[in-house]
Formats: sequence, C-alpha cells, structure tokens
Amino acid sequence: DIQMTQSPSSVSAFVGDRVTITCRASQGIGSWLAWYQKKPGKAPKLLIYAASSLQSGVPSRFSGSGSGTDFTLTISSLQPEDFATYYCQQANSFPPLTFGPGTKVDIK
Amino acid sequence: QLQLQESGPGLVKPSETLSLTCTVSGGSVSSDSFYWGWIRQPPGKGLEWIGSIYFSGSTYYNPSLESRVTISRDTSKNQFSLNLSSVTATDTAVYYCARQWMTANHFDFWGQGTLVTVSS
Repeated sequence: DIQMTQSPSSVSAFVGDRVTITCRASQGIGSWLAWYQKKPGKAPKLLIYAASSLQSGVPSRFSGSGSGTDFTLTISSLQPEDFATYYCQQANSFPPLTFGPGTKVDIK
Repeated sequence: QLQLQESGPGLVKPSETLSLTCTVSGGSVSSDSFYWGWIRQPPGKGLEWIGSIYFSGSTYYNPSLESRVTISRDTSKNQFSLNLSSVTATDTAVYYCARQWMTANHFDFWGQGTLVTVSS
C-alpha cells in the first residue's frame, strides 16, 4: 500500500497569510493526488485533483503542485472560511486508495 | 445537481452487521465513468477508504477490511450499499458515500455522512 504523510500536522495562521501544506507519498504516484477540505460536521470537499487541477467552484486562492512523491497545497491568502482540516489522497494505486493524516489550519 | 444520501441504523451492536445505503439522485450508478465509494472517519481520526463499486458490479475493497466488507448496487433504485460484518467499537465512525472518478480516482460529490455507533 502507498502510505501518505502530511506536514505540518497543524498550522496556526492569520487571515491573509499564505499557507503551504506538504504531502508525501511512500512511492511515486505521478500526478495522481487530490486535496480535500474537511470541516467538522461537514462532508469533505474536493479542492484539487490530479495534483494541480482546481475543482469547479473552488476559489483560485487554492492551488496544488507537485508530482512523483512530493506535493503541496497552497492557500495564497487565508480567509476566515478556510479554517479547516486538509487531507491529501493518493489516486494512483487502487486498491487501496489512501488518505494522508490531515493538516489542521486554525486561527492564530 | 448530483446528490448522495446515506441511510441506515445509527446504532449497531458489537458482532452484528452494519448496513448502510446510499441513494443517488441527479446521476446514475449505472454510469461507466464513475465508481461509487464508501469512506469513513472515526471520531477524532482521519479519513479511511472502505471500498468502491463500478457500474459493472466489480468491487474493490480496502485490504484491511476486505474480509468483512460487501458493497453492492441496485440499479433499479439507483442505490449502492455497504455491509460491514462482525463490527466492534473501532468501527464507530461517520460513514460517507461518494462518487469516484474512474480516470483520476478522486471523490467529487459526497453524501452528508451518517454516524454509526457500535455499542451494546
């Protein structure tokens, strides 16, 4: 199975800050990576797929990059509604599909 | 607009079988462009993929759960279902159904989720 790690596990930031979250796969997955935003009591929301493709309706302040084993999610200017937990998911090797452990973004 | 809705008991006894159904509206479980999947999140923990089913009926399961999981679909009702047998307290989680793109294996539409508690 492909294992996913994320760093940091949590980050505190101000509104307006640029936030970068890293995801690493235990083996190469090409560009087959997705990012989700998860808020308490809500379903996960797809932000990015295929490493860098922005899902329809997602604000352009979200962007993804990377390939192989190392990926990043960047929020260019953090907004109040962006405080949430972010998960990466490898989409290359199936089954199983695997998620990272999550990165919690909270208010500083 | 595609919508998914989970339904089923919120409380299951240990050793029994957890059964959930996902009703799809605004789309078809018979589409050859998608899988239909189940994902769960235990309280305070991360997301875990359980398994997925293709329009043909082919199923794919997480090896960690494979011995206890069955996913099926009812095309006449536009539903797909999850059965998880021999449950224990560690199966307590919010269970989500979701649509999975066949080509890129990401989940773009999700149900709201349903909490299933395993307790006697």
